[in-house]
Amino acid sequence: AQKITQTQPGMFVQEKEAVTLDCTYDTSDQSYGLFWYKQPSSGEMIFLIYQGSYDEQNATEGRYSLNFQKARKSANLVISASQLGDSAMYFCAMSPIKAAGNKLTFGGGTRVLVKP
Amino acid sequence: DSGVTQTPKHLITATGQRVTLRCSPRSGDLSVYWYQQSLDQGLQFLIQYYNGEERAKGNILERFSAQQFPDLHSELNLSSLELGDSALYFCASSLFSSGANVLTFGAGSRLTVL
Repeated sequence: AQKITQTQPGMFVQEKEAVTLDCTYDTSDQSYGLFWYKQPSSGEMIFLIYQGSYDEQNATEGRYSLNFQKARKSANLVISASQLGDSAMYFCAMSPIKAAGNKLTFGGGTRVLVKP
Repeated sequence: DSGVTQTPKHLITATGQRVTLRCSPRSGDLSVYWYQQSLDQGLQFLIQYYNGEERAKGNILERFSAQQFPDLHSELNLSSLELGDSALYFCASSLFSSGANVLTFGAGSRLTVL
């Protein structure tokens, strides 16, 4: 069984500053993928970034980077130079790579509010 | 627009009723997933289909059923509805059936049971 824990229910960040969203996970799988999704107030789920468990380098996608620490089982999302449009719920998720099917397990989410 | 189409966007119904939610996956994707998002349960995986066949099952109630048709669209049927079934129901799609694939989500169908 897999479990994703996001301990920060909500946080404020000043516009143009960086923010780190915490994510820890628990799994017995050796190969897995870690994802971050954004859910704005409009409701849709938007994929941000992916990290494979065997990837040696941390993933980056524009202003998003994933701080992957395998031994600590953490996959924190860093958003640099925050913008007002970054205000949203952020979900960390994981999926085993070698299991049949592709079941994404989500954490409880962190709400980010960017202040001007 | 993600390319995943869900209808209806909003649905209000009464307890005991039955509803059907429809999903058309992104062009080229063969896998369809259903998720339920509620305030108390968070985002819960319900079921996955790949090219018409059930591939993985999550916390889907017996009152709920789903299928994927030959044209790859999927329907989620919810019956004997209860107040607790009020939630946002997401459909997502991906090209492959397994492995850590990126799922593309639809805009969701918001169900309110009164």
